[in-house]
Amino acid sequence: QKEVEQNSGPLSVPEGAIASLNCTYSDRVSQSFFWYRQYSGKSPELIMSIYSNGDKEDGRFTAQLNKASQYVSLLIRDSQPSDSATYLCAPESGANSKLTFGKGITLSVRP
Amino acid sequence: SQTIHQWPATLVQPVGSPLSLECTVEGTSNPNLYWYRQAAGRGLQLLFYSVGIGQISSEVPQNLSASRPQDRQFILSSKKLLLSDSGFYLCAWSGLGNEQFFGPGTRLTVL
Repeated sequence: QKEVEQNSGPLSVPEGAIASLNCTYSDRVSQSFFWYRQYSGKSPELIMSIYSNGDKEDGRFTAQLNKASQYVSLLIRDSQPSDSATYLCAPESGANSKLTFGKGITLSVRP
Repeated sequence: SQTIHQWPATLVQPVGSPLSLECTVEGTSNPNLYWYRQAAGRGLQLLFYSVGIGQISSEVPQNLSASRPQDRQFILSSKKLLLSDSGFYLCAWSGLGNEQFFGPGTRLTVL
């Protein structure tokens, strides 16, 4: 059973702070990793993808990947109230672009 | 650009009634297609995926079925709904990359 664990939440940070969201996965052969943002009542939206060890930056978002430790994280700099949502970690899991989703962590950014 | 549609947006059905949810994708050819369910307080569960017309793979045993009658059309069905079928049903597509893109979803309540 492939497992994806996201650190327990909810996570609350003040506006302007850095939010750190962590994820570990069990499938050692996973090569692609994705972060989705899901606002309450809405469908998930892809915000970051990462394929190689190290950091990948896109605006205020930075994804970090360590395949040896089976760990992927998402940093949100200068957090805004509009970042308040549930964030889902999703490693690729086998052929046909299948993904295994974590249960998500809910982020609340306090004004 | 690619667009994914789902309908209906919300549905309330009695136990034992049939179900048909439809998903269509525009702007791409031969996508992989996926059906997920997100139950309250739970993660995204992959139900079915399809790599081509008439090709359906089931991820979990249940009273649901899926069909892909056309390249960009994916249908989720049930002959008799159970209370446990309630949830948020999401269709997604992927192309040459591994990223999956979600439709707006159908919120199903079985009473």
